[in-house]
Amino acid sequence: DARVTQTPRHKVTEMGQEVTMRCQPILGHNTVFWYRQTMMQGLELLAYFRNRAPLDDSGMPKDRFSAEMPDATLATLKIQPSEPRDSAVYFCASGVQNTIYFGEGSWLTVV
Amino acid sequence: GENVEQHPSTLSVQEGDSAVIKCTYSDSASNYFPWYKQELGKRPQLIIDIRSNVGEKKDQRIAVTLNKTAKHFSLHITETQPEDSAVYFCAASKLAGTALIFGKGTTLSVSS
Repeated sequence: DARVTQTPRHKVTEMGQEVTMRCQPILGHNTVFWYRQTMMQGLELLAYFRNRAPLDDSGMPKDRFSAEMPDATLATLKIQPSEPRDSAVYFCASGVQNTIYFGEGSWLTVV
Repeated sequence: GENVEQHPSTLSVQEGDSAVIKCTYSDSASNYFPWYKQELGKRPQLIIDIRSNVGEKKDQRIAVTLNKTAKHFSLHITETQPEDSAVYFCAASKLAGTALIFGKGTTLSVSS
């Protein structure tokens, strides 16, 4: 049963620290997404890639967030410096065409 | 860009009743409309989807209808069961491969 794998599953960090979240998409999926989920905003699109090329990162605060896909098996989302308002669940998803499958999420708490 | 509105935000029904969740979208070019179910503490999972060339799709107790003229689509769950309790998200995108834009979600509670 192929799944999107995300690490870490849970992270508590202090304000100002760097946070890196990693995602291994399902083998063969050419599109990778990063979403952020909060109670207030629901599922917000941060960035996505097709064939490792960034297509849209307009939903991402550029001053502190960055997303990359160094190879087809790894996508990263970095926050530097982190702030308490970044506390959320960060989901990676991968897909082919428009059907996408979510990972279990990285639960981030910034104190 | 696309904007998806979802109603209601919460819905409580008795076991065995039907539940209907409605979504509207803004971009007339959108033509792919999936629904995801998210149980507490878990990841969203696809439960049904519809493309713009059909008006209705059914899968056992769930169905989705689409009205492209009015730019709205709905999820229908019949004979609800306690295990249907979850947050349901609608989404929209273009089949050419733009990202899914999600509604804010509906928390469905089914009481026995």
